Amino acid sequence: DQQVKQNSPSLSVQEGRISILNCDYTNSMFDYFLWYKKYPAEGPTFLISISSIKDKNEDGRFTVFLNKSAKHLSLHIVPSQPGDSAVYFCAAKWGAGSYQLTFGKGTKLSVIP
Amino acid sequence: NAGVTQTPKFQVLKTGQSMTLQCAQDMNHNSMYWYRQDPGMGLRLIYYSASEGTTDKGEVPNGYNVSRLNKREFSLRLESAAPSQTSVYFCASSESRIQETQYFGPGTRLLVL
Repeated sequence: DQQVKQNSPSLSVQEGRISILNCDYTNSMFDYFLWYKKYPAEGPTFLISISSIKDKNEDGRFTVFLNKSAKHLSLHIVPSQPGDSAVYFCAAKWGAGSYQLTFGKGTKLSVIP
Repeated sequence: NAGVTQTPKFQVLKTGQSMTLQCAQDMNHNSMYWYRQDPGMGLRLIYYSASEGTTDKGEVPNGYNVSRLNKREFSLRLESAAPSQTSVYFCASSESRIQETQYFGPGTRLLVL
């Protein structure tokens, strides 16, 4: 049973426009959420995170929104750049002191020049 | 500062053979992790080491053993490889608790025939 779902396997966006990547979760105990970016043949790299006590966190072109009532979070990239083309993973953690991250299957973003 | 390094980058094994995947980090992190990623799937935690001298099972530990050799190194051993263990293996490290960012290595691609 997938606890973290990224229902869109892929997304194409024109350069300069907004990219919106979505993630849904089922476990209401999750208290911390992260987005990772992964290029082919490389390990994932941390992008941005949000605690369950917040509903928005912004870092440059990247903003993550959290809607706890809907168990939904989204990553906004504005403006999108060709270098943003990668697979984006949503991940979640629950429980104080827990070490386990639960990952979604990823969304492949293609930014078209 | 190399971050997290993994060896080998690629390995082919026959069913029943054994091997050890090596991981080292130079960031003085306390916690280390082993994940596997299968096609179309998110990363799944195999084992983790919260601190030097401790190891714990993650989501998919069966068929694997780990050793936290020292603070820098965390190895993953397959005693008797099976085709189901064909995957890409990622090692990661973090300062301490899971809310600290995890830094990933480049991965080891393993093919079991």
